[in-house]
Amino acid sequence: GAVVSQHPSRVICKSGTSVKIECRSLDFQATTMFWYRQFPKQSLMLMATSNEGSKATYEQGVEKDKFLINHASLTLSTLTVTSAHPEDSSFYICSARLPGQGFTDTQYFGPGTRLTVL
Amino acid sequence: GQSLEQPSEVTAVEGAIVQINCTYQTSGFYGLSWYQQHDGGAPTFLSYNGLDGLEETGRFSSFLSRSDSYGYLLLQELQMKDSASYFCAVRRPDSNYQLIWGAGTKLIIKP
Repeated sequence: GAVVSQHPSRVICKSGTSVKIECRSLDFQATTMFWYRQFPKQSLMLMATSNEGSKATYEQGVEKDKFLINHASLTLSTLTVTSAHPEDSSFYICSARLPGQGFTDTQYFGPGTRLTVL
Repeated sequence: GQSLEQPSEVTAVEGAIVQINCTYQTSGFYGLSWYQQHDGGAPTFLSYNGLDGLEETGRFSSFLSRSDSYGYLLLQELQMKDSASYFCAVRRPDSNYQLIWGAGTKLIIKP
């Protein structure tokens, strides 16, 4: 149980285009999903918290107009990188928390999306 | 503020035991989590300590001392597949279960 999928796994796009990344919880309903960005050999950087049915909460320094997050259902959150530029190239990972798991902080991660902007 | 410190790299020999330490500083504490990440992959949950003491899951154990703001991950009978980065994390106080992550420890295992 607690499987999170992410699509696409890899995308290469031209500078100026927009890219949409989907994150799905396959066997549970996730009221909260998290979006991370990770550069090579670095830690995970939380970009935003995606809440079903409400606006996402962005971390300081993350442009909400550039990284659009939509959490339209209990099993799907999307991250759209708008007008992508080479500096947006990174590994984007989503995660979800299993409802009812009490005080533990377990997050279940999708396999990640490697974005390369040319 | 909140921060976690862990060694950047640890080297060990296959079959041996290795300990990865994590010290944290946080205004509110809800427990210490450990995650494993292989190169090119996503993090996977390993363990969680909400109370002091040792939690054991197979070859992996995790320890917490809240009075010392310290924890460690212990890996026994090391296998080559354990080569990965290991992250400790704590929950951000007053948050919607958002995690603050350590910088990660790269575990290198030699045959």
